Amino acid sequence: ELKVEQNPLFLSMQEGKNYTIYCNYSTTSDRLYWYRQDPGKSLESLFVLLSNGAVKQEGRLMASLDTKARLSTLHITAAVHDLSATYFCAVEGGSQGNLIFGKGTKLSVKP
Amino acid sequence: GAGVSQSPSNKVTEKGKDVELRCDPISGHTALYWYRQSLGQGLEFLIYFQGNSAPDKSGLPSDRFSAERTGGSVSTLTIQRTQQEDSAVYLCASSFSLRATQYFGPGTRLTVL
Repeated sequence: ELKVEQNPLFLSMQEGKNYTIYCNYSTTSDRLYWYRQDPGKSLESLFVLLSNGAVKQEGRLMASLDTKARLSTLHITAAVHDLSATYFCAVEGGSQGNLIFGKGTKLSVKP
Repeated sequence: GAGVSQSPSNKVTEKGKDVELRCDPISGHTALYWYRQSLGQGLEFLIYFQGNSAPDKSGLPSDRFSAERTGGSVSTLTIQRTQQEDSAVYLCASSFSLRATQYFGPGTRLTVL
């Protein structure tokens, strides 16, 4: 059974600081997604990582994928309050593209 | 352009009643997925459609759950004889094709009293 584990599950940061969220998955997958969810809202696609060594950056967020280690990271640089949200990683559960999600990391950025 | 829409946004029902949840995918998206999100179970995959076909129904939690899609567009998820454990947010997502990036709707919050 494919499992996806994120850590930490809760993260309280000060503005301006850097931090990394980790996403481990249990079986081979060549496609990994990061989504953001604001309270009471739906999921917003952030990144899709398609190959080993893939790195993508958008603003203060940078995601990377190591398929050999079955690990993805989401790095936050110089956090700002607007980044406060829950971040989910997900991998494909099968050839039909259904996603298996981690439990999410609830990020709170405080001034 | 228009994103994925879902209706109703909130549904409160009594235990034992049937409910229908609707999803309108992004125009042109052939793949459609249903998930549910609850505090205890996180985000769970339920079922997917390629066109109007749902080849694998094994993700549905019980035989009280069913789903259909018509015209390669709108999908409905039906829950019969609702139970309190069905309370969750039901999310629909669509993608241009299988394995393409999925775009999620706002969800339907279902509360079973």
